[in-house]
Amino acid sequence: QKEVEQNSGPLSVPEGAIASLNCTYSDRGSQSFFWYRQYSGKSPELIMFIYSNGDKEDGRFTAQLNKASQYVSLLIRDSQPSDSATYLCAVNARGSNYKLTFGKGTLLTVNP
Amino acid sequence: DAMVIQNPRYQVTQFGKPVTLSCSQTLNHNVMYWYQQKSSQAPKLLFHYYDKDFNNEADTPDNFQSRRPNTSFCFLDIRSPGLGDAAMYLCATSRGGQGPNQPQHFGDGTRLSIL
Repeated sequence: QKEVEQNSGPLSVPEGAIASLNCTYSDRGSQSFFWYRQYSGKSPELIMFIYSNGDKEDGRFTAQLNKASQYVSLLIRDSQPSDSATYLCAVNARGSNYKLTFGKGTLLTVNP
Repeated sequence: DAMVIQNPRYQVTQFGKPVTLSCSQTLNHNVMYWYQQKSSQAPKLLFHYYDKDFNNEADTPDNFQSRRPNTSFCFLDIRSPGLGDAAMYLCATSRGGQGPNQPQHFGDGTRLSIL
């Protein structure tokens, strides 16, 4: 089982819809969870991070964490074409409180 | 603005010709990382510096080396680039210490091409 798994997509949503991006992880002891956005040919950009079970909201973005199910998600409300990018999920690497393990990312396309 | 700066943005080198990529930061973070990312793949950690301590990932080829002369600067040296080393190289920094992981902040990356 891969340490961090994401559906590679593409996930296609219409403009204005809610996009839901999902990520599962294998290390039950993981404590820190990050979402990065990466436009084609560019570097990853931090969107949100979450440490505790439940929801964390920042503008149009909501991160949801369920440690019992080893599942973290990112919701994007009122999706815009500019949100079209690859979204990378990252989890603290096993036994480390500073290294990260990244998923391969989910490609999101928002159609006007 | 505090940031992570990578130079150059694009680098073309010949097969087997050594190349050096640079990274500087104004965030005063004590941890600096080098990742390799190929198309549609996750960033792959090559190595990192925790303060002055160098930490190599087990599967990083010997062809890749790094230097961190001071807190702000870190270099990636590829001694004899092969065609398989063509990729985006990402530098990132974070604050390491007590408590949960702090976010990593990435530079714009260097796109390396091998002729």
